[in-house]
Amino acid sequence: DTGVSQDPRHKITKRGQNVTFRCDPISEHNRLYWYRQTLGQGPEFLTYFQNEAQLEKSRLLSDRFSAERPKGSFSTLEIQRTEQGDSAMYLCASSFFASGSTDTQYFGPGTRLTVL
Amino acid sequence: GENVEQHPSTLSVQEGDSAVIKCTYSDSASNYFPWYKQELGKGPQLIIDIRSNVGEKKDQRIAVTLNKTAKHFSLHITETQPEDSAVYFCAASLSSGSARQLTFGSGTQLTVLP
Repeated sequence: DTGVSQDPRHKITKRGQNVTFRCDPISEHNRLYWYRQTLGQGPEFLTYFQNEAQLEKSRLLSDRFSAERPKGSFSTLEIQRTEQGDSAMYLCASSFFASGSTDTQYFGPGTRLTVL
Repeated sequence: GENVEQHPSTLSVQEGDSAVIKCTYSDSASNYFPWYKQELGKGPQLIIDIRSNVGEKKDQRIAVTLNKTAKHFSLHITETQPEDSAVYFCAASLSSGSARQLTFGSGTQLTVLP
């Protein structure tokens, strides 16, 4: 068990460009969450998957954001036409959910996005 | 939706002293309350959690208490060490078989002075 991994760790882009982040959850974890964290604040929920199905999206997830988890393993988060307000740390978390389980979320190291 | 308030925003203690961080939540249906520690440049790390059917939970130097009536919960760290210095986040969520969407507090920067 190597923990949740995210790639890249840092991304600098120019306004208007598209960016894509990847998250690899802990093996066997069926739930995967994306959060966004701005400086000095706690993480804010964006969206979550159970296996390959995207079951919930936050109002924070504008139509420029899209997330996928095609085979129920790794996930990607794409931001199109980036804006300076998108600058933040994007965190991925995974958990194992089953009836009676704890569904504890374990976070990755995050991808820090800077939009110039 | 759920709202979580966390206090204080910064806390400095001498090594060996205790530290207490407090959080309040708004949704009485919330039933899961984890605490995370975040070091600079890293993702949040779960340090302890508590469910609403339990009033207190302890793990070595760390303890969490929950008062459902008052809708507040607290983190207690005893015998603090310099390596405890980090940002601590409380969170609350409702688990109903669907997403355990965590709502976080704004964090407490804990500094343990040697």
